[in-house]
Amino acid sequence: GAGVSQSPRYKVAKRGQDVALRCDPISGHVSLFWYQQALGQGPEFLTYFQNEAQLDKSGLPSDRFFAERPEGSVSTLKIQRTQQEDSAVYLCASKDRTGWQETQYFGPGTRLLVL
Amino acid sequence: AQSVTQPDIHITVSEGASLELRCNYSYGATPYLFWYVQSPGQGLQLLLKYFSGDTLVQGIKGFEAEFKRSQSSFNLRKPSVHWSDAAEYFCAVVSGGGADGLTFGKGTHLIIQP
Repeated sequence: GAGVSQSPRYKVAKRGQDVALRCDPISGHVSLFWYQQALGQGPEFLTYFQNEAQLDKSGLPSDRFFAERPEGSVSTLKIQRTQQEDSAVYLCASKDRTGWQETQYFGPGTRLLVL
Repeated sequence: AQSVTQPDIHITVSEGASLELRCNYSYGATPYLFWYVQSPGQGLQLLLKYFSGDTLVQGIKGFEAEFKRSQSSFNLRKPSVHWSDAAEYFCAVVSGGGADGLTFGKGTHLIIQP
């Protein structure tokens, strides 16, 4: 079946521009996560949704980062006034139930380069 | 706060040789532990997970991992590696609370020599 998809796969932005990254989770999956992976590092948690509710946004690095999932399916991560330090791969993951032991399924990521 | 340490940044193994990738965690309660693999241009793929029961866990692609509470470790092993195993490997622990977000180690880059 279809996995988690993300678009665009690559994004180049000039410093100061706003960007929007899209995540299509596996159909029916309740939980959705965003992670940021800097070059040579492991992914770092940004935010978590259960259906349309954003239950945890403790990992968002600044108020320039904003995420939404208005209908409990597709999610968008928006970064305003991008900075060079925002350059990273942004990963989306979903899982079909809540619960710590449930598997998160990851998308291929969006590679963002801020010039 | 929970944390995961993968002490080896790079490991080189000859094809057909055995493999062990180290992972140490710091977590106050019973940990939920995962190993993921990331190939170039690919998303993270779950190899195996542990949350209770038998401390030796079998995963996909011939991998296994052993949970040792006394050593706070969850090392990944494979008896005989293949060239296709070359990738980045991440150990992760669930963050806990209500959020379920994963805390990852920095990863180990596995190189396979012919």
